[in-house]
Amino acid sequence: AQSVTQLGSHVSVSEGALVLLRCNYSSSVPPYLFWYVQYPNQGLQLLLKYTSAATLVKGINGFEAEFKKSETSFHLTKPSAHMSDAAEYFCAVSERNYGQNFVFGPGTRLSVLP
Amino acid sequence: EAEVAQSPRYKITEKSQAVAFWCDPISGHATLYWYRQILGQGPELLVQFQDESVVDDSQLPKDRFSAERLKGVDSTLKIQPAELGDSAMYLCASSPRYTEAFFGQGTRLTVV
Repeated sequence: AQSVTQLGSHVSVSEGALVLLRCNYSSSVPPYLFWYVQYPNQGLQLLLKYTSAATLVKGINGFEAEFKKSETSFHLTKPSAHMSDAAEYFCAVSERNYGQNFVFGPGTRLSVLP
Repeated sequence: EAEVAQSPRYKITEKSQAVAFWCDPISGHATLYWYRQILGQGPELLVQFQDESVVDDSQLPKDRFSAERLKGVDSTLKIQPAELGDSAMYLCASSPRYTEAFFGQGTRLTVV
């Protein structure tokens, strides 16, 4: 069964600083990997996804993530944080079998300081 | 842009009462999921449908929770009776395949 860990339940960065949110996964088959963002009392919005094409994936709002099979990681980065990036971020994994569900990590809350 | 619709957005109910949530997935999405998200945690799967059939309900507390998707389109999740520990966000998502899930805005349930 697949699982996801996210190191750091809360990350604070200054506006304009690098954002790095960590995600490690466990999967018995090649995975699909996702990053979602959630604002208070809202649903989850897809930031980006890895589905076996390029290992460096670019998403919306300037975010990107790199799939590293050897490290079983899929860390999320953004070169320069903006105040509007403050939200909860979830990493998720889905195994490449039709009908599999999406398993989410516990989330990382990102705060952006002025 | 097509969206997953959920209602109501917020629900306050008393302990031991019945409550129901509705979800209308994106047209053409065969797979529908109900997730429960406790405050400060990640979403956890309650039930997954493929068309009208249940694929996975292993984490659904079947003594009080039920879910249906009778015509393979919209879906209803019911809790009866509600307990204080059921207070959470209930998220519905749909997927055309396994390549990504599209989420609705969720229903915030408060049991008092």
